[in-house]
Amino acid sequence: QQQVKQSPQSLIVQKGGISIINCAYENTAFDYFPWYQQFPGKGPALLIAIRPDVSEKKEGRFTISFNKSAKQFSLHIMDSQPGDSATYFCAASPDISGGGADGLTFGKGTHLIIQP
Amino acid sequence: KAGVTQTPRYLIKTRGQQVTLSCSPISGHRSVSWYQQTPGQGLQFLFEYFSETQRNKGNFPGRFSGRQFSNSRSEMNVSTLELGDSALYLCASSLTGHGNQPQHFGDGTRLSIL
Repeated sequence: QQQVKQSPQSLIVQKGGISIINCAYENTAFDYFPWYQQFPGKGPALLIAIRPDVSEKKEGRFTISFNKSAKQFSLHIMDSQPGDSATYFCAASPDISGGGADGLTFGKGTHLIIQP
Repeated sequence: KAGVTQTPRYLIKTRGQQVTLSCSPISGHRSVSWYQQTPGQGLQFLFEYFSETQRNKGNFPGRFSGRQFSNSRSEMNVSTLELGDSALYLCASSLTGHGNQPQHFGDGTRLSIL
């Protein structure tokens, strides 16, 4: 019930291409969905987040698409660059706490490699 | 503005020992959360503190505990260490843990159990 399923586990994209990572959740109480980027030896850094009242949110080259009826959301990285090579995690939180008081439930991560 | 600071960065312990990890949140942040990151289980929520009170706890045994001080700094303690406790322990802070507030993570403490 608390799971967030993330795919693919790994992804190789050519420079300039579009990277797409997908997540699905089961708990209908989730209503905050952030994406985190993690480089080796570093902690996760918040990239972008969305709430279910919107279907899409864009920040620079990063876009979240959200499908409430299907309980799915995805991250699109446009014009992917070698510097985007990292591990990406989707996450979800059950209420307006934004993941603080109730904790974030994370997907297992996607290892993204952008080939020059 | 300084980020979330975790100390130490690396720690090696043996089975049966106990360990204390420290986290200093971003100045002004009063909510501190702890997560365990392992290759097999990924990132898992341990617990969250606000105003020196634990508000929520994840599905971990009682060997994992924490506390928060009046200056919002937090510590987590793991007693009777097991091999499976080897992990990266991450601390995250936010203003109050409520509303549309991003959580900022530290770079973690890498704990290795021999």
